[in-house]
Amino acid sequence: DAKTTQPNSMESNEEEPVHLPCNHSTISGTDYIHWYRQLPSQGPEYVIHGLTSNVNNRMASLAIAEDRKSSTLILHRATLRDAAVYYCILRASPVSGTYKYIFGTGTRLKVLA
Amino acid sequence: DTGVSQDPRHKITKRGQNVTFRCDPISEHNRLYWYRQTLGQGPEFLTYFQNEAQLEKSRLLSDRFSAERPKGSFSTLEIQRTEQGDSAMYLCASSPPTGAGANVLTFGAGSRLTVL
Repeated sequence: DAKTTQPNSMESNEEEPVHLPCNHSTISGTDYIHWYRQLPSQGPEYVIHGLTSNVNNRMASLAIAEDRKSSTLILHRATLRDAAVYYCILRASPVSGTYKYIFGTGTRLKVLA
Repeated sequence: DTGVSQDPRHKITKRGQNVTFRCDPISEHNRLYWYRQTLGQGPEFLTYFQNEAQLEKSRLLSDRFSAERPKGSFSTLEIQRTEQGDSAMYLCASSPPTGAGANVLTFGAGSRLTVL
């Protein structure tokens, strides 16, 4: 299974942008990059995903390096409600014979008021 | 649609007892996953169903664990002869078969197991 590496924790001030990095040097050509977040006492929540091009949605932006060996989740204006553990996940294509999403230990984001 | 439902939310049992958790996915979702999460760790994959077929199972899953999805709707996860190491949050997730949401997992709130 391809691995991801994230910092254990990060801090941000409220209303400022946050860039959460993820390294995935063993990514294969068909692996999708997914981000989920988990608020305290809740199940993980989908944030965004992409394959090669940068992606934007109402929650965040995903910037993918040209060689796809790293990516960055961007929260444009952090709020206190964004305090959570953020997981960067590589999801292999089912044609490879696996359907699972492999979670690492994630980055715990603390937002300061 | 109320999302993914899991029952019970909390279960306390004595070592050696059997426990069963139920997951009701979003109605049109044919893909269903079970994960386990211990304190401070990310969710760990247990098993995957597509409709009623169990297509993938973690090698870490001992034979005390069994999961079913008999009619392709709800699923159950049973743990036999529970051990203290089984104490964890058991998470269920589902996703639809096609469309933009096919790659998006919707998780339930989880079932927390405490084995005394």
